[in-house]
Amino acid sequence: QVHLQESGPGLVKPSETLSLTCTVSGDSITSGDYYWSWIRQSPGEGLQWIGFIFYSGNTYYNPSLKSRLFISVDRSKNQFSLQLSSVTAADTAVYYCVRTFGSGSYYSFDPWGQGILVTVSS
Amino acid sequence: DIVMTQSPLHLPVTPGEPASISCRSSESLLHVRGFSYLDWYLQKPGQSPQLLIYLGSNRASGVPDRFSGSGSGTDFTLKISRVEAEDVGVYYCMQALQTPLTFGGGTKVEIK
Repeated sequence: QVHLQESGPGLVKPSETLSLTCTVSGDSITSGDYYWSWIRQSPGEGLQWIGFIFYSGNTYYNPSLKSRLFISVDRSKNQFSLQLSSVTAADTAVYYCVRTFGSGSYYSFDPWGQGILVTVSS
Repeated sequence: DIVMTQSPLHLPVTPGEPASISCRSSESLLHVRGFSYLDWYLQKPGQSPQLLIYLGSNRASGVPDRFSGSGSGTDFTLKISRVEAEDVGVYYCMQALQTPLTFGGGTKVEIK
């Protein structure tokens, strides 16, 4: 059974870079069957798709975050990571890593990690 | 971006009774392949969201058959034939037709 676990700092200062890692177990990122996504949830914005990556390194980003966003994959560790630069209080949210089924232009999220709360504050 | 609008925001339900949630998209979600690119997710209290319905009407693995999805174009419905106590939580629709993928604001289902 696949399991995804987010890790990283729970507190980030404004203007700094938020960095999170997702460790995948029970499935191989390199299988090529799935994409691997980041999604966040905040009281003000609800659920927001951030972006996803394929094991090859191909990425798809939400245009609203693209200028600050970098998603990468570490195939040797079966992990993928998120970096969001120049953060503000608006980036405070629970961040989820999610396995993503993709076929043509259709994408579906299952399962989700437990989520990690990241607060942006000085 | 495609805007997803759900109603109602809150839905008090009685166990054993049916329930229905509406989702409307700002653009048609009908793909040329003939499928509606619309998913439903349930976030139970204290948990991460979980996939309930994909491609408009297909139940995800392990989802009870009391859940059903219907609709096409821009109007979709999630129905629970007989609500159980474990069905409480926030239900979200999501359009999977084009990036950026976008979610509805959620419908909170609670027991009366």
